[in-house]
Amino acid sequence: GQSLEQPSEVTAVEGAIVQINCTYQTSGFYGLSWYQQHDGGAPTFLSYNALDGLEETGRFSSFLSRSDSYGYLLLQELQMKDSASYFCAVRDRLGDDKIIFGKGTRLHILP
Amino acid sequence: NAGVMQNPRHLVRRRGQEARLRCSPMKGHSHVYWYRQLPEEGLKFMVYLQKENIIDESGMPKERFSAEFPKEGPSILRIQQVVRGDSAAYFCASSPRPGTSGINEQFFGPGTRLTVL
Repeated sequence: GQSLEQPSEVTAVEGAIVQINCTYQTSGFYGLSWYQQHDGGAPTFLSYNALDGLEETGRFSSFLSRSDSYGYLLLQELQMKDSASYFCAVRDRLGDDKIIFGKGTRLHILP
Repeated sequence: NAGVMQNPRHLVRRRGQEARLRCSPMKGHSHVYWYRQLPEEGLKFMVYLQKENIIDESGMPKERFSAEFPKEGPSILRIQQVVRGDSAAYFCASSPRPGTSGINEQFFGPGTRLTVL
């Protein structure tokens, strides 16, 4: 079956760095995405890794290791507005953009 | 350039009634995805459509749920004879024609919060 595992909750301090891990087990793999969702809001795209390595976009970075079926989202210089849920998602087949989402990690930020 | 639009934003139905949720994709996007989200849970894939064609409905319950994306007009997710367990947030997302972007990004609408009394 298809499964994506990520911690249900993570707590960090404002200004610090936090890493949210994701392991996946899917029938196919064509890329790992990360989405952010604030309470009551819509998911918004953060990053996408198709190849191994680190992708950096401002304070956010995402890493992928296909051999380990593992990726992570790294958030630096945490701000209170980063309090949200973060979902990893896998594209499991070529030819379309259907993705499978993990259950999400709720990030709590302490002042 | 308007984003993905969904309406209504909130919908209240009594058990046994029908719910119709609408989604207009972003301009230029030909593919629509519907997801259901229960409180404190992730996004569960329901169905993936392009104009006049259902690509993948593997996440749709076998009964009472249906979806369409006509040639003209929005995509519609229809739930017949709603039950309390259907209460959830329903999100629609759209993407350009597959293969046109290497980024695999989906653009989400604001969601419809369905409450069944």
